[in-house]
Amino acid sequence: GAVVSQHPSWVICKSGTSVKIECRSLDFQATTMFWYRQFPKQSLMLMATSNEGSKATYEQGVEKDKFLINHASLTLSTLTVTSAHPEDSSFYICSARGWAFGGQSAYEQYFGPGTRLTVT
Amino acid sequence: GQQLNQSPQSMFIQEGEDVSMNCTSSSIFNTWLWYKQDPGEGPVLLIALYKAGELTSNGRLTAQFGITRKDSFLNISASIPSDVGIYFCAGHLSNDYKLSFGAGTTVTVRA
Repeated sequence: GAVVSQHPSWVICKSGTSVKIECRSLDFQATTMFWYRQFPKQSLMLMATSNEGSKATYEQGVEKDKFLINHASLTLSTLTVTSAHPEDSSFYICSARGWAFGGQSAYEQYFGPGTRLTVT
Repeated sequence: GQQLNQSPQSMFIQEGEDVSMNCTSSSIFNTWLWYKQDPGEGPVLLIALYKAGELTSNGRLTAQFGITRKDSFLNISASIPSDVGIYFCAGHLSNDYKLSFGAGTTVTVRA
């Protein structure tokens, strides 16, 4: 159980275009999904938290107009990188937590396999 | 989020050796989680700890939630080549579902 998928696993796009990344919880309902960014040899940096049906909460320094997050259902969240530039190239990872497992396990976050974005 | 101090930053170990890494914080945490990340993949949850003093095992892995609730350690016994990867500690502050992460411990195993 607790499987999270991401699509695509990698994407190359041209500068100025937009890219959408999908995050799905496959076997549980995700009350909350999180989007992270990870640079090489660094830890995960939280970008935003999204709850189903409500606006995402962005971390300080993350441009909400550039990184659009939609959490339309309990199993799907999307991150759209708008007007991408080379400095947006990174490894983007989503995670999900949910009540399906109940109790204390609701604090556990399960991560997707990540999406490698390269902007040329 | 709150910064977790994870050490060591990296380690080279001989196959069959035991490995230990730890995380500390100046703040009290409600939960401690340990993840492993392979290159190009997302982190995979290894062990979750919820009570101060709790000692939990998962195969060759053992982790403990410190009594002060400000630290945790992870042990790997009898390391094997597939233990290679980056191990992250993470934790939740009180009533906050956001995770704070350590900087990671890179483990390399010499055959």
